[in-house]
Amino acid sequence: DGGITQSPKYLFRKEGQNVTLSCEQNLNHDAMYWYRQDPGQGLRLIYYSQIVNDFQKGDIAEGYSVSREKKESFPLTVTSAQKNPTAFYLCASSRETGQSRDEQFFGPGTRLTVL
Amino acid sequence: AQSVTQPDIHITVSEGASLELRCNYSYGATPYLFWYVQSPGQGLQLLLKYFSGDTLVQGIKGFEAEFKRSQSSFNLRKPSVHWSDAAEYFCAVGAGGNKLTFGTGTQLKVEL
Repeated sequence: DGGITQSPKYLFRKEGQNVTLSCEQNLNHDAMYWYRQDPGQGLRLIYYSQIVNDFQKGDIAEGYSVSREKKESFPLTVTSAQKNPTAFYLCASSRETGQSRDEQFFGPGTRLTVL
Repeated sequence: AQSVTQPDIHITVSEGASLELRCNYSYGATPYLFWYVQSPGQGLQLLLKYFSGDTLVQGIKGFEAEFKRSQSSFNLRKPSVHWSDAAEYFCAVGAGGNKLTFGTGTQLKVEL
């Protein structure tokens, strides 16, 4: 079945540690996205990538980093510089680049908790 | 920049009753509009989308939405709600590039 997988589903981190969230898609989509979801705030865009080896900052990129070495993979690293990292993180992909009319397909999410 | 407002944070309806969730957007031209649904602890699933043409859009699970340019609205409706419709609903607008702007969501509770 085609889709987006995110791992792990739950992640716990101590303050001061970096942690990497995995996102893989087998939909052959060009564009991939990372969102952060907090209660009552909807989804906020962290980073997005339209093509391999290229990515752009979203609205809340500070304290996060990404890479796009393969078309199917778009890992997100939450660094120690992110002041309030506890949140639900969603990865998404869409078929075409530069087309906001394209549906974005979402993974099941990773809940990160900083202890 | 575009923005989306979902004025209702929580809505409670009885099973079998009709439903309307409100969405207002701000954008200078005709936007691309979406409604997504999210079950607890899960990702988002697309219900329907509007690009152009007929302003009444049919989606999955019996949902529909109507684009009203004069009111900058894209309200989601369902004639008869089922208990399984309890979830959080997000309206989103796309206005260029790959980026979508999401509203803050409406939590729907269904009373049996």
